[in-house]
Amino acid sequence: NAGVTQTPKFRVLKTGQSMTLLCAQDMNHEYMYWYRQDPGMGLRLIHYSVGEGTTAKGEVPDGYNVSRLKKQNFLLGLESAAPSQTSVYFCASSPGGSYSPLHFGNGTRLTVT
Amino acid sequence: KNEVEQSPQNLTAQEGEFITINCSYSVGISALHWLQQHPGGGIVSLFMLSSGKKKHGRLIATINIQEKHSSLHITASHPRDSAVYICAVPLLFTGNQFYFGTGTSLTVIP
Repeated sequence: NAGVTQTPKFRVLKTGQSMTLLCAQDMNHEYMYWYRQDPGMGLRLIHYSVGEGTTAKGEVPDGYNVSRLKKQNFLLGLESAAPSQTSVYFCASSPGGSYSPLHFGNGTRLTVT
Repeated sequence: KNEVEQSPQNLTAQEGEFITINCSYSVGISALHWLQQHPGGGIVSLFMLSSGKKKHGRLIATINIQEKHSSLHITASHPRDSAVYICAVPLLFTGNQFYFGTGTSLTVIP
């Protein structure tokens, strides 16, 4: 049981380049999330999805887009990368609800130069 | 404005010591989660609790809903406990968005 798998693990981009981060879960979870983690700050929600075909903005959505075409996959796109998007990105999934634990991927370290 | 505050930010302990990490929150909640982030970066869920106390091995989590406070205790600490411990609370009536603390970085010295 792989859980939540994120790819890639590391990436370096130049300003203005685009990329897509892939998150895949094999637990049949309805809820999926993309967070970013920056030094001195808690995890911040970028976008989330409560089911296949649905997405919603979180706390810091600007500069990012997402898609959830299949229940098991949640993609995070950066159309034109900026140095402010240098961060560690985590995907998570959950069956849903306050009482459900979050299952995290191992993170993607992105550097934008 | 931080809805979730953790203390201390950093903690160094000798192996075998009893450790306490605190989490205070300002929002109404139905449950609180404790997470562990390993030095390699991966994050795992340790506990979800909505009242009282939960125990898993050497880890004990308590919560006082009235005082809006939770504690994570580690008994007989070991170097492998070295990690960042994160408190998270879900927004009421959403169940799908969380506030996260900035974490407590624990180092246990042999």
